[in-house]
Formats: sequence, C-alpha cells, structure tokens
Amino acid sequence: NFMLTQPHSVSESPGKTVTISCTRSSGSIASNYVQWYQQRPGSAPTTVIYENYQRPSGVPDRFSGSIDSSSNSASLTISGLRTEDEADYYCQSYDSSNHGLFGGGTKLTVL
Amino acid sequence: EVQLVESGGGLVLPGGSLRLSCAASGFTFSLFAMSWVRQAPGKGLEWVADISGSVENTYYADSVKGRFTISRDNSQKTVYLQVNSLRAEDTSIYYCAKHSSRRPIGFDYWGQGTLVTVSS
Repeated sequence: NFMLTQPHSVSESPGKTVTISCTRSSGSIASNYVQWYQQRPGSAPTTVIYENYQRPSGVPDRFSGSIDSSSNSASLTISGLRTEDEADYYCQSYDSSNHGLFGGGTKLTVL
Repeated sequence: EVQLVESGGGLVLPGGSLRLSCAASGFTFSLFAMSWVRQAPGKGLEWVADISGSVENTYYADSVKGRFTISRDNSQKTVYLQVNSLRAEDTSIYYCAKHSSRRPIGFDYWGQGTLVTVSS
C-alpha cells in the first residue's frame, strides 16, 4: 500500500492562482487515476477532477488537474480564486488491490 | 442529471445492524461501479467499499471487511450497504458515490450522505 500526502492548509488571495499537491509515497503516481474532491463546510463532497484531469459537467475550467512523474505527485490548480472556493480538498486514488485511498485533505483559505 | 439519494441511517446500539440504501438516477446504473465512503465527525474521508458494474466484484476496507456487505440491484438502480456488528468508531456520515467507469477507478458524483450513529 501507499499513502497520499497533502499539505494541511494553503491560503491565497481572491483572483490569484493556487496549487495543491498530492504526493504518492510509493509506486508510480501514473499507475492509477487521481481524483480531487471539494468539501465545503457542512456539505457533502463534490468532484472537481476525476481521471487525473477530467472535469464533471458544471465544474468551471478554473479547476485543472495534472500528474508529474518526476515528483510522483498530482496537483490541483485553481485559478481566478473566489471566496466560494474556500473548502477542504481531498485527493484520492486506488492501490493495486483495488483499495481506495484518500489524502488527508487540504484546507484552502481564500483571504 | 445524476442524482444519488442515500437513506437508512440512524441511531443504533453497539453490535447492531443497519441497511443503507442509495437510489440512483440520471445515468445507466448497471454500467458504472458504485462505492460507499464515510466521514467520522471532524475527520477526513475514508473509503469503505466498492462494487463493480455488471460483473459485481466487491472490495472492502480492512476496517469493515467481514462486517459490511455491499450489493446492488440494477433493476432498482440501487446500491446497498449492510452494516453489521457496529462499533462506536463506525459513527460517520456514509456517502454513496458513482465511479466514472464500470470498474472502480474514482468517483465523479456523490450523494448527500446518511448519518449513522453508534451509541448506547
């Protein structure tokens, strides 16, 4: 098994761009798809990125996903930050035994 | 529009059982894997179980294996989670999620969740 490590928190100003990383501890980040989920306080999670870089319908193109084999990590980039983007963000993937794993979550503050 | 509606949560005694349901609409249910994910109060997300599309392979987190059973009824477009031998640490909001593929690879849609509280 492996772990997915995210920064505990990030902050940025409205209108700016922020990137949240998700580092896989062992095995290749490219071996399994990475997803990103947004969870606002008191609400259910929603998907902002699936299959590394796909956006569900209704998710604005301000949200983008990527993977980097050199750092063995995935990234979620949010451009043109809005106060409504303030939320917890979780990365997620699967291991070779078809067990799901989540990162610990990153609290995004837009100040 | 994809919709996932969970039900069946509630207050249960330690050692008790519940059957959670998730009614799906807005997509061809049998073509997609489905999952249950939980979140304990103030904690992060925890994957619980998956069931693939038509072949119905199942997968479980070690923390629930042998106590929880995931199943699906494609004719009713519903996925279930039978939760037995409940413990205090199973107290969580349980979310149903749809995978983006026939096999479990990651979720593209989520339900609103149903709360399970295990307490005496």
